[in-house]
Amino acid sequence: EIVMTQSPGTLSLSPGESATLSCRASQSVNHNHLAWYQQKRGQAPRLLIFGASIRSTGTPDRFSGSGSGTDFTLTISRLEPEDFAVFYCQQYGASPTTFGQGTRLEIK
Amino acid sequence: EEQLVESGGGLIRPGGSLRLSCAASGLSVSIYHMSWVRQAPGKGLEWVSVTYTGENTNYADSVKGRFTISRDNSKNTLYLQMSSLRVEDTAMYYCVRNQLLENDCFNLWGQGTMVTVSS
Repeated sequence: EIVMTQSPGTLSLSPGESATLSCRASQSVNHNHLAWYQQKRGQAPRLLIFGASIRSTGTPDRFSGSGSGTDFTLTISRLEPEDFAVFYCQQYGASPTTFGQGTRLEIK
Repeated sequence: EEQLVESGGGLIRPGGSLRLSCAASGLSVSIYHMSWVRQAPGKGLEWVSVTYTGENTNYADSVKGRFTISRDNSKNTLYLQMSSLRVEDTAMYYCVRNQLLENDCFNLWGQGTMVTVSS
């Protein structure tokens, strides 16, 4: 199965700053089938980005996804207080679908 | 509003069985591929199982032979029958909707039901 590795484990930033989260796959992700989720404390995850760069319904445009092959990035510009959470990447280009271990974005 | 509501979690001893349910509203489960995803306490996400619209199913190796996914389209409900439960099955179990494909991202999540396997 494809192993997804996210970095950094924790990112400490202030509101208004920009965040860059990385996700690396152990093999190339077919069709760039890469998704990003946001999980706030005590809540279920929410789909933010699919197809590596397509924002899901309701995702603010300060969230953007990029990358291809094995290296993907989630960028959050102008961080808002409600953005601080744990973020997961998921590859669904190969079965079984697999997730990264998560990046915690915390307020500095 | 589309909604998935899980139930059936609880405390169960190792080796026991439990059936989780996921009641859907605002959508028809019959036209979607539907999955279960779990999250151990303080850990990441793990896909568990999928039921396709054609009634075929697939499982993670960690649960194959112990868990059975099914759906009742007349009740608009998804199920996960879990048997031979292990301590490592302790997790929040989320019912999720595949966006479109058989192997896909998940664009609708329930609030989860907690399963604790402990003696």
